[in-house]
Amino acid sequence: DAGVTQSPTHLIKTRGQQVTLRCSPKSGHDTVSWYQQALGQGPQFIFQYYEEEERQRGNFPDRFSGHQFPNYSSELNVNALLLGDSALYLCASSELGNGELFFGEGSRLTVL
Amino acid sequence: LAKTTQPISMDSYEGQEVNITCSHNNIATNDYITWYQQFPSQGPRFIIQGYKTKVTNEVASLFIPADRKSSTLSLPRVSLSDTAVYYCLVGDPPNNAGNMLTFGGGTRLMVKP
Repeated sequence: DAGVTQSPTHLIKTRGQQVTLRCSPKSGHDTVSWYQQALGQGPQFIFQYYEEEERQRGNFPDRFSGHQFPNYSSELNVNALLLGDSALYLCASSELGNGELFFGEGSRLTVL
Repeated sequence: LAKTTQPISMDSYEGQEVNITCSHNNIATNDYITWYQQFPSQGPRFIIQGYKTKVTNEVASLFIPADRKSSTLSLPRVSLSDTAVYYCLVGDPPNNAGNMLTFGGGTRLMVKP
């Protein structure tokens, strides 16, 4: 049983570009959450998707958007990249109503 | 969301018991307390979750006093592989819609030989 998988694992972009990160949840999970983790800090909640809709959102600008597909996989899109967007982006899946999150290994984004 | 405060770092030696305390003075009635462990370049991993008194699993114990304004994660007989960052989180209970969790800075535990 595969856990949460994310792609790509590493990528480099330049300021102003756009990036799409992908996540496949753990089998049986219907809820996907995205987190941003800057170096040396704890993960910060970006948003959560369930039934293809954004259910909750953290304090992130509209440049951060997402999508959830019928198979529960999800994408995180970031437009107009800034240097400060450089971070590890973590995807976590769960079953709605179950408090345990299962995290992927993350996608490390570097913005130059 | 309840804010949490935990020590920035702790040192221990192999074989010792480690207790990491987290303060959450404004915890809400329905909030649960959850602890995660994170190794470098990996996603956090669930350790334990509780609401009150004591919870124990094969990895750790979680002690929660009656006022629930703090909690203590207890790791018995730590090994070098327990060196990691430990996060205390307080938030939505398991049976409610939405699992948004707020991570603080965590506690960096260093286990020495």
